[in-house]
Amino acid sequence: NAGVTQTPKFQVLKTGQSMTLQCAQDMNHEYMSWYRQDPGMGLRLIHYSVGAGITDQGEVPNGYNVSRSTTEDFPLRLLSAAPSQTSVYFCASSYGGETQYFGPGTRLLVL
Amino acid sequence: KQEVTQIPAALSVPEGENLVLNCSFTDSAIYNLQWFRQDPGKGLTSLLLIQSSQREQTSGRLNASLDKSSGRSTLYIAASQPGDSATYLCAVSPIKAAGNKLTFGGGTRVLVKP
Repeated sequence: NAGVTQTPKFQVLKTGQSMTLQCAQDMNHEYMSWYRQDPGMGLRLIHYSVGAGITDQGEVPNGYNVSRSTTEDFPLRLLSAAPSQTSVYFCASSYGGETQYFGPGTRLLVL
Repeated sequence: KQEVTQIPAALSVPEGENLVLNCSFTDSAIYNLQWFRQDPGKGLTSLLLIQSSQREQTSGRLNASLDKSSGRSTLYIAASQPGDSATYLCAVSPIKAAGNKLTFGGGTRVLVKP
């Protein structure tokens, strides 16, 4: 079991560029989510999904899009990157909202 | 809106001392509460999960208690070791159907001195 994997590990973008952060899990978990972690702000929920084809917004969804076409994958898209999106992004999955498994994170710097 | 607070933000103890980490939450309508460990530059690792109907959960040197009515949870780490140095976060989940909608506390950064 690879668990939850995230790519890339680190990315530098220029303002206005778009990119997709990848997240995959091999545990057949129905629930997946994206968080961002910022100093002094803690971890905040961006988007979450309770199954393939079902997504919903979290606390800080603006500037991000998600889709869930398969159980395994939950990509996060930045449509037009802004410096305020500089952060560390974590993907998590769980079975039925129980123990959460987190990926290693993607560090994003927007210049 | 649920708010989760962890005090203190940082803690330093000598090796062998017991650690007591606190977590408080404002809305008692939770599904479960989880404690996580985060090492610098790494992801989060789940330590213990307590269901809303449970009072405590134990794993090795770790014990977590939950008092839902007062909105508090405490993580005890017995006989601390330098390897326990990390940031510890607590998070609450509202209802099962909400999936991974966790609300996190700000964390307690722990340093165990040899």
